[in-house]
Amino acid sequence: DIQMTQSPSTLSASVGDRVTITCRASESIDTWLAWYQQKPGKAPKFLIYKASSLGSGVPSRFSGSGSGTEFTLTISSLQPDDFATYYCQQYSSYWTFGQGTKVEIK
Amino acid sequence: EVQLVESGGGLVEPGGSLRLSCATSGFFFSTSEMTWVRQAPGRGLEWVSYISTSGDTTYYADSVKGRFAISRDNANNSLDLQMNSLRAEDTALYYCVRDVSGVLDSWGQGVLVTVSS
Repeated sequence: DIQMTQSPSTLSASVGDRVTITCRASESIDTWLAWYQQKPGKAPKFLIYKASSLGSGVPSRFSGSGSGTEFTLTISSLQPDDFATYYCQQYSSYWTFGQGTKVEIK
Repeated sequence: EVQLVESGGGLVEPGGSLRLSCATSGFFFSTSEMTWVRQAPGRGLEWVSYISTSGDTTYYADSVKGRFAISRDNANNSLDLQMNSLRAEDTALYYCVRDVSGVLDSWGQGVLVTVSS
């Protein structure tokens, strides 16, 4: 089974900060990686697919990069609406999520 | 607008059974792959099961294999998850999710399953 590991688990940041979350796969998944955002009490929302392609309606301040086993999600200028938990997910072989990264207010 | 509405959750004793349903609208259900994803209280996301458009192909997480069964009714645009031999560790919010070639692009609001005596 492919394992996904995110870092950090928690990230404290301020509005306007550039934020980067890392996701590592236990084996190569090419670019079969998606990112999701989840706010408390809400269902996850799809952000990025194929490692770097933005979903429809997702603000351009979100971007993704990487291939193989190492990936990043970057928020170029953190907005109040972006404080949430972010999950990566591989879909190269079945489906596996990272453990999540909580972005909290500094 | 894509809508996915889960139902059928509740409190069940260990060893019991429960059947979750997901009513869908706003998209072509019969040509959409579907999955169930769960989230234990205060925990992360866990993929549970997948079903192909025709229902011929299904996959399960090791944690539920042999106990859960996914099915679909394309005539009624609905998805089901039959859960048997439930355990305390199955307690979670269960999400019905549309799967687009592995990307989980649309999620229901979730239905809570609590396994406790």
